[in-house]
Amino acid sequence: EPEVTQTPSHQVTQMGQEVILRCVPISNHLYFYWYRQILGQKVEFLVSFYNNEISEKSEIFDDQFSVERPDGSNFTLKIRSTKLEDSAMYFCASSSVAGVYEQYFGPGTRLTVT
Amino acid sequence: EDQVTQSPEALRLQEGESSSLNCSYTVSGLRGLFWYRQDPGKGPEFLFTLYSAGEEKEKERLKATLTKKESFLHITAPKPEDSATYLCAVEDYGGSQGNLIFGKGTKLSVKP
Repeated sequence: EPEVTQTPSHQVTQMGQEVILRCVPISNHLYFYWYRQILGQKVEFLVSFYNNEISEKSEIFDDQFSVERPDGSNFTLKIRSTKLEDSAMYFCASSSVAGVYEQYFGPGTRLTVT
Repeated sequence: EDQVTQSPEALRLQEGESSSLNCSYTVSGLRGLFWYRQDPGKGPEFLFTLYSAGEEKEKERLKATLTKKESFLHITAPKPEDSATYLCAVEDYGGSQGNLIFGKGTKLSVKP
């Protein structure tokens, strides 16, 4: 069964460092998403991406964040200068159609900023 | 004000003891309501999508229903392997397409 994969599973970084979180969406999906979940809190939408550009982004997704689809399979989230409050689980998701179609989530990357 | 409120926050059941989880929502227009299961340290696993009031969907011991203001996830004769956090999410016509708004979840524990 096709699934979304994410690497690394756990990333530890120092405050101010850049990190890149990687995702491989389901192969025939066209819409890609990043969400985050701070420990003990809700899953929160960050950004959606379609046709090589951002479709929507939340208030959380400020200038420190960027997304890219560098090739036909990978989808990345970059945080330029990490802050302590960026520590969270980051989930990638993909769907075959935008809107009202189920999004399939990856296992997540746990980001710890020290 | 939260757009999606789930109750109870936690629920402990004995194996075989049926119960329901609630998800109440406030949206300008509902595109869809989604139920996910989340195991500790894992990503949400898709269960159901509901689109309109009166709709019901079933999968094994789970049944999801939808009204104009809330959704229920009914668990019939649960087993210990049903233990997880169940997340409800909505997509709002007044919001971004594909932007799921999640509730805080209900943590279900089923004891043998």
